[in-house]
Amino acid sequence: SQTIHQWPATLVQPVGSPLSLECTVEGTSNPNLYWYRQAAGRGLQLLFYSVGIGQISSEVPQNLSASRPQDRQFILSSKKLLLSDSGFYLCAWSVPVGSGTGELFFGEGSRLTVL
Amino acid sequence: KQEVTQIPAALSVPEGENLVLNCSFTDSAIYNLQWFRQDPGKGLTSLLLIQSSQREQTSGRLNASLDKSSGRSTLYIAASQPGDSATYLCAVIFHGSGNTGKLIFGQGTTLQVKP
Repeated sequence: SQTIHQWPATLVQPVGSPLSLECTVEGTSNPNLYWYRQAAGRGLQLLFYSVGIGQISSEVPQNLSASRPQDRQFILSSKKLLLSDSGFYLCAWSVPVGSGTGELFFGEGSRLTVL
Repeated sequence: KQEVTQIPAALSVPEGENLVLNCSFTDSAIYNLQWFRQDPGKGLTSLLLIQSSQREQTSGRLNASLDKSSGRSTLYIAASQPGDSATYLCAVIFHGSGNTGKLIFGQGTTLQVKP
């Protein structure tokens, strides 16, 4: 069966510090991968998605970047965090539309607090 | 613009009541629709996936229906229990998203089931 792991679960970082959140998927190949952010009291915002190794699409301009160095690994990064980067970050995967149902599965999330 | 809307934003019901959560979407050309559950501070759990060609899906006490022509989906919860208390989110993959599988999320309905 497929599983998704995301870490760290909780992170408190000072403004201006770097960030690295990691996500790995097991039990599937060539998944679509996604990073979402959920700010307090707001809905889910898609930040990045990837349909293959090295292929990253950004949905919104921001202080963050994403990379996919391996097929089942997705990394969210920042060189210098801002207060506005605080939030709940969720990694997700799906079988690509056309190859499967497109059902989306989420990790447990990483809560980032920037002070 | 392709949007997903959920009404009401919050709902409180006594235990044992049957209830319906609503989801509407602006474009009937969809690939699929997915219902999720989110407990506080946790990731999203997929509840039901309805593909474009389907009218409904059932899992235990949950039944989701899809009416593309009217741009609506409902999530029916039978005999509600306090453990059903959570935020329920509806999300849609619209045609035109290609292979990306990008879901557009509603804002969610926060359900409280009182003992």
